[in-house]
Amino acid sequence: QQQVKQSPQSLIVQKGGIPIINCAYENTAFDYFPWYQQFPGKGPALLIAIRPDVSEKKEGRFTISFNKSAKQFSLHIMDSQPGDSATYFCAASIGTGANNLFFGTGTRLTVIP
Amino acid sequence: GAVVSQHPSRVICKSGTSVKIECRSLDFQATTMFWYRQFPKKSLMLMATSNEGSKATYEQGVEKDKFLINHASLTLSTLTVTSAHPEDSSFYICSANPTSGRFHEQFFGPGTRLTVL
Repeated sequence: QQQVKQSPQSLIVQKGGIPIINCAYENTAFDYFPWYQQFPGKGPALLIAIRPDVSEKKEGRFTISFNKSAKQFSLHIMDSQPGDSATYFCAASIGTGANNLFFGTGTRLTVIP
Repeated sequence: GAVVSQHPSRVICKSGTSVKIECRSLDFQATTMFWYRQFPKKSLMLMATSNEGSKATYEQGVEKDKFLINHASLTLSTLTVTSAHPEDSSFYICSANPTSGRFHEQFFGPGTRLTVL
């Protein structure tokens, strides 16, 4: 059973566009929601993470929006660049990111120059 | 800081042989390390949680006798795929959580691509 559902599966945007990736979860015990970026042949790298006590968090060009009542969260990439082309995974865990992470299915983002 | 390495980065072996993959935390100590498996264009699936000095905890459906995990020190965990078969071909990724408590994150290694012929 997929504990975290992610969409879309793939996404193509023009340079400067704002791709949005959405995730949804069922387990209300989850209280830590990170996003990871993975390039081909590499391990995932933490981009940004949020806890349910805030509705939005920004770090550079990356923003997480969180809707606790809907059990949904999303990643927005501002002013996207070709170098942002990668696979993005949302995840969820209980407590901290040091505990078992449940990953979404991934979104392959392509930013066209 | 918080760098995790894996060795080898890729390995090709014959069916029936065993393969050992090392996961090292280079600049921190890790009481807990995690092993994931990733199929092409798919998500990461947690295989097991490895705790230093104790037996690993395997996720449901993961054969503990096939995927042997040893976490003998605070900087090294190994995954041995025993009697490998073509269906074991995959991308194996480890992660580690620093013991110090300053970081409440998992830091991922670069992965090991296993191909079983």
